[in-house]
Amino acid sequence: AQKVTQAQTEISVVEKEDVTLDCVYETRDTTYYLFWYKQPPSGELVFLIRRNSFDEQNEISGRYSWNFQKSTSSFNFTITASQVVDSAVYFCAIPNQAGTALIFGKGTTLSVSS
Amino acid sequence: SQTIHQWPATLVQPVGSPLSLECTVEGTSNPNLYWYRQAAGRGLQLLFYSVGIGQISSEVPQNLSASRPQDRQFILSSKKLLLSDSGFYLCAWSPTMNTEAFFGQGTRLTVV
Repeated sequence: AQKVTQAQTEISVVEKEDVTLDCVYETRDTTYYLFWYKQPPSGELVFLIRRNSFDEQNEISGRYSWNFQKSTSSFNFTITASQVVDSAVYFCAIPNQAGTALIFGKGTTLSVSS
Repeated sequence: SQTIHQWPATLVQPVGSPLSLECTVEGTSNPNLYWYRQAAGRGLQLLFYSVGIGQISSEVPQNLSASRPQDRQFILSSKKLLLSDSGFYLCAWSPTMNTEAFFGQGTRLTVV
């Protein structure tokens, strides 16, 4: 069965520090997608990235970067030079077996202080 | 562009009362639709999903039901709320399988 584990429940950093959020997944599929979402205090989930298991190149978008490693079943998310506005709950997700819905990890709460 | 509307934003209901949360999507046709629940301090639990009108899949047996009376309308209901139904309910849509889902702003339900 599909499963996502985010072992870090809460992380606190000071502004400008780099921070990495861990995501480990389980799947029986040979090809699959992985996702990251951000949930700011307002509550709405914001889509950040979708990654295909075919592509193991690291992805960078501004201060955000993602490290996908199929060998360790991990899809980690790094924020460089964190800012207070990065404070949120971050979720990693994978489609269910049928591909019809996303299964989310329990999330990591990131607090960035000034 | 596509938008998703979910209402109400907050709701306080007594135990035993009925519930109806509505979600509509604009700017797309035949979307996949979802209801998730987020209990306080916990992750997102998939409750229902629908790949078409009248097609509802339930992921967790519970006190809730879902219906899709129109292509872009998804309703979450309960005949009698329990205290344990309190939580943050999120509606979402996706264009097809294995793609990202886009979420509404959520409904914070408190059952008292």
